[in-house]
Amino acid sequence: QSVLTQPPSASGTPGQRVTISCSGSSSNIGSNTVNWYQQLPGTAPKLLIYSNNQRPSGVPDRFSGSKSGTSASLAISGLQSEDEADYYCAAWDDSLNGSWVFGGGTKLTVL
Amino acid sequence: QVQLQESGPGLVKPSQTLSLTCTVSGGSISSGGYYWSWIRQHPGKGLEWIGYIYYSGSTYYNPSLKSRVTISVDTSKNQFSLKLSSVTAADTAVYYCAREQRITIFGVVSRNWFDPWGQGTLVTVSS
Repeated sequence: QSVLTQPPSASGTPGQRVTISCSGSSSNIGSNTVNWYQQLPGTAPKLLIYSNNQRPSGVPDRFSGSKSGTSASLAISGLQSEDEADYYCAAWDDSLNGSWVFGGGTKLTVL
Repeated sequence: QVQLQESGPGLVKPSQTLSLTCTVSGGSISSGGYYWSWIRQHPGKGLEWIGYIYYSGSTYYNPSLKSRVTISVDTSKNQFSLKLSSVTAADTAVYYCAREQRITIFGVVSRNWFDPWGQGTLVTVSS
């Protein structure tokens, strides 16, 4: 059971807009920034969004992040087939002396 | 750019100690502002943070694994290492090393994230 809650799956057709939610608590998302990672099949996770809504260099502006209270969201617009991957949210958790916590991951399927 | 590469045995026997090394290239492990982490992913599952080390040698571990984890650093080799003792089949996972970047304001962490990650190495615990 992951500390951060994500839907296990999401899907969309090419060109559509898809959102993935990440729900936490006051000790993690509520008090720290949220990051999103993209894991393409058979590869290591890659930073997609940091500090709630910042895109690293090279990440298309089709990807955007937001945070409100104890929840965060990742939005992907203009969905493309290469976006098919697992997506994980992460945040530092201040409880129990602190630890990084992750969501269980959302598998995005491009239909 | 900075790259990380994990290395170590792919098979460990139950009750033994898992040992992995992460080699950092393209940058110095002694650069301030960065913390060096180990993260694992059980087969078909999500991500679990194991712990981090700063180049000075200070460490911090996931409370759930703290009793079995040791992370060390060798700045002369630009490497950091993970030891996980008394392993069981539940420790079978892909192990990643990653760099954590932190931005602090007046000594308080305001934001932090993992980038880059190593490619990962699968460690299987089996007799």
